[in-house]
Amino acid sequence: EVQLVESGGGLVQPGRSLKLSCVASGFTFSNYGMNWIRQAPGKGLEWVAYISSGSSYIYYAETVKGRFTISRDNAKNTLYLQMTSLRSEDTALYYCASPMDPNGDWFAYWGQGTLVTVSS
Amino acid sequence: DVVLTQSPATLSVTPGERISLSCRASESVDTYLHWYQQKPNESPRLLIKYASQSISGIPSRFSGSGSGTDFTLSINGVELEDLSIYYCQQGNSLPFTFGSGTKLEIK
Repeated sequence: EVQLVESGGGLVQPGRSLKLSCVASGFTFSNYGMNWIRQAPGKGLEWVAYISSGSSYIYYAETVKGRFTISRDNAKNTLYLQMTSLRSEDTALYYCASPMDPNGDWFAYWGQGTLVTVSS
Repeated sequence: DVVLTQSPATLSVTPGERISLSCRASESVDTYLHWYQQKPNESPRLLIKYASQSISGIPSRFSGSGSGTDFTLSINGVELEDLSIYYCQQGNSLPFTFGSGTKLEIK
């Protein structure tokens, strides 16, 4: 069974940093690109970042470029999102998601999400 | 960025109805358009990929159509369990973008 389990969320002050993790199981993690997608409370979905299977290709939404860093450790089946200079508008439920397809631009599998709250 | 406009924002339905939800792109996305269902307090679930391709495990009452800038998600015979928010998403160009969603509620 495919599982994506996020962790690392919490309450953090504006300007501080936080690192999210997503542990994958039930599939060959190293074969697929991975994404972070977020959802502010009561709002819609926003794509945040993408990393290719071998980390060669990395893309960010303009809203987080220069502040967030996506990375992965294929030996540990884990995806990361390092978030710095956090702002109140970064408050959201953060999902990791994958197309489970080498060329997929959709999101077939999602984790349950980890909540990040940026507030003083 | 490609802007996806979904309409209506809210749709009141009667169980058994056939309904259609619209997603319009600000520029052509070919058929790189995907649909998701999100129930309260749950993660989104992929319903349709590439505008009209079905997904294993998704009930056959869900179907998609369209290409270019105009897309439709249809539900043939709405069931109570379908009450959710539906999002479209384009994968034709980065950044990937989502529509603002259509909420299905009971009439």
